[in-house]
Amino acid sequence: EAQVTQNPRYLITVTGKKLTVTCSQNMNHEYMSWYRQDPGLGLRQIYYSMNVEVTDKGDVPEGYKVSRKEKRNFPLILESPSPNQTSLYFCASSLSAGNGYTFGSGTRLTVV
Amino acid sequence: KNEVEQSPQNLTAQEGEFITINCSYSVGISALHWLQQHPGGGIVSLFMLSSGKKKHGRLIATINIQEKHSSLHITASHPRDSAVYICAVRNSGGSNYKLTFGKGTLLTVNP
Repeated sequence: EAQVTQNPRYLITVTGKKLTVTCSQNMNHEYMSWYRQDPGLGLRQIYYSMNVEVTDKGDVPEGYKVSRKEKRNFPLILESPSPNQTSLYFCASSLSAGNGYTFGSGTRLTVV
Repeated sequence: KNEVEQSPQNLTAQEGEFITINCSYSVGISALHWLQQHPGGGIVSLFMLSSGKKKHGRLIATINIQEKHSSLHITASHPRDSAVYICAVRNSGGSNYKLTFGKGTLLTVNP
């Protein structure tokens, strides 16, 4: 089944403890991206990747890192999480930036 | 002012009614997406438009590039259509790989 898999679905962590949210797609898509969703603010793009080893900042990249060493994986790294990064995170992929998107199921992150 | 504005923010309808959700944007775009998010659920891509009109089942999406406006219509609405509908645009200038989102329209369809 064609899908975007995010893990974990839920995560509670403490301030400053490094964490990684994984994202993997099995559709050979070139384009992948990360978003956060917050009440009243909607969805905002964090980072995106056009292809392997090509990444760029979205609208809210501060406090996040990404890497794209393989086409299928696009992990989101929080080196030192803070409470303002408590949010619902979505990963998405697309054949290219000009196509429709497939979204992962989301990761609900709480930083205390 | 947000680059992407949706209206209404909330919409309640009776089963069978015709629904319209609007999206206006202020930037030049290369494409516009309509997304659906069920409560507690993930996000599903409904349409991607760069011109004209698309139809899928009971859903119809239109876009007017000159007026910078798009509409999502649902015919013969059903309670299972209850969800948040989100409009997103891909900018045509600069980095055209970024998506900018509207804040969503919460649709509730009562039986």
